Amino acid sequence: EAQVTQNPRYLITVTGKKLTVTCSQNMNHEYMSWYRQDPGLGLRQIYYSMNVEVTDKGDVPEGYKVSRKEKRNFPLILESPSPNQTSLYFCASVRGDEQYFGPGTRLTVT
Amino acid sequence: EDQVTQSPEALRLQEGESSSLNCSYTVSGLRGLFWYRQDPGKGPEFLFTLYSAGEEKEKERLKATLTKKESFLHITAPKPEDSATYLCAVQARGNEKLTFGTGTRLTIIP
Repeated sequence: EAQVTQNPRYLITVTGKKLTVTCSQNMNHEYMSWYRQDPGLGLRQIYYSMNVEVTDKGDVPEGYKVSRKEKRNFPLILESPSPNQTSLYFCASVRGDEQYFGPGTRLTVT
Repeated sequence: EDQVTQSPEALRLQEGESSSLNCSYTVSGLRGLFWYRQDPGKGPEFLFTLYSAGEEKEKERLKATLTKKESFLHITAPKPEDSATYLCAVQARGNEKLTFGTGTRLTIIP
């Protein structure tokens, strides 16, 4: 089954404690992306990757890092999380015009 | 800067009561306009891509239309299972990034 998986699905952490949200796709897509979704602001792109070792900033990259060492994986790294990064995060894998979204990771930073 | 505005924010309809959702946009050279459906606690699910003014696409009870300034998602004789948040997004030519609206939360009452 074609899918995008994210882990963890829920995470509560404290300010400054480094964390990684993993994203994996089994569709061999080259383009992957991370979004955050906040009430009243919609989905905003954090980072995207057009292929292995090729990443670029989206609209709201501050406080985040990504890596793309393999085609299937695109982890999102928060090196020093802050409360304003409390949000719902989605990873997406893209084929043509269709974006396949993961189930989301709800992150709370206290 | 690309912008997407969706209206209304929320819409409650009786089962069978047809209506339309609006997506107004500004973009510097439209490559595509996208409609997604998002159920609570899940990632967005792709519905349609529209590329040029006058284009229409249909899927079951949904029909999407496009003009140079806006898109409509028409829902004909909706059922309770059509309840969801519907998201609109645009992509500019030469840019991989999607700009999303904040969505319309649709509730169909049996």
